[in-house]
Amino acid sequence: DARVTQTPRHKVTEMGQEVTMRCQPILGHNTVFWYRQTMMQGLELLAYFRNRAPLDDSGMPKDRFSAEMPDATLATLKIQPSEPRDSAVYFCASGLGDRVFSGGQPQHFGDGTRLSIL
Amino acid sequence: ILNVEQSPQSLHVQEGDSTNFTCSFPSSNFYALHWYRWETAKSPEALFVMTLNGDEKKKGRISATLNTKEGYSYLYIKGSQPEDSATYLCAFAILGFGNEKLTFGTGTRLTIIP
Repeated sequence: DARVTQTPRHKVTEMGQEVTMRCQPILGHNTVFWYRQTMMQGLELLAYFRNRAPLDDSGMPKDRFSAEMPDATLATLKIQPSEPRDSAVYFCASGLGDRVFSGGQPQHFGDGTRLSIL
Repeated sequence: ILNVEQSPQSLHVQEGDSTNFTCSFPSSNFYALHWYRWETAKSPEALFVMTLNGDEKKKGRISATLNTKEGYSYLYIKGSQPEDSATYLCAFAILGFGNEKLTFGTGTRLTIIP
């Protein structure tokens, strides 16, 4: 079965360090989402792309977070500088869709990156 | 702010019993309702996507219904098995540009007691 691949699976680093999380969407999927799982909020959307173009990053703290898709097979989420409150599990998901019909398509999730900032 | 509420938050069910839980969402500007199954230490897995009022979907012993006019969906599990233990998430998509953005509920955590 095709899967969304996320690396690394776990990351522990000190406050102030740069963190880069990577995601390889399912081949052929044109929409990529970044989510953060927190105890209080559940799954919250940080940003998403369609056909590599960023469509919405309103859920992301702009001063320290950035999301990019250098090509169709790679999405990255960077935090610089990292802070202890960024500790969470970050999920990438991919799906198929166009402007009209995307909400009716299921999203396929990776296994997540568990991030701990000390 | 869109609010998706799931109840109950957690549920313990004896193996073999049937169960159901609820997802409530805003009924205006409805586009789609998703259900995901999320096992511990794994990733959420799509169960159903429903878009039409009155939709019913079924996958094995699991089924779901949708009422868009009153803003709720039920998930049913018939004859619960230990492998059904998981958190069940629902998510709501609004009509219009950006309809791929999902707002997730916090889930119903189901534990099946052997």
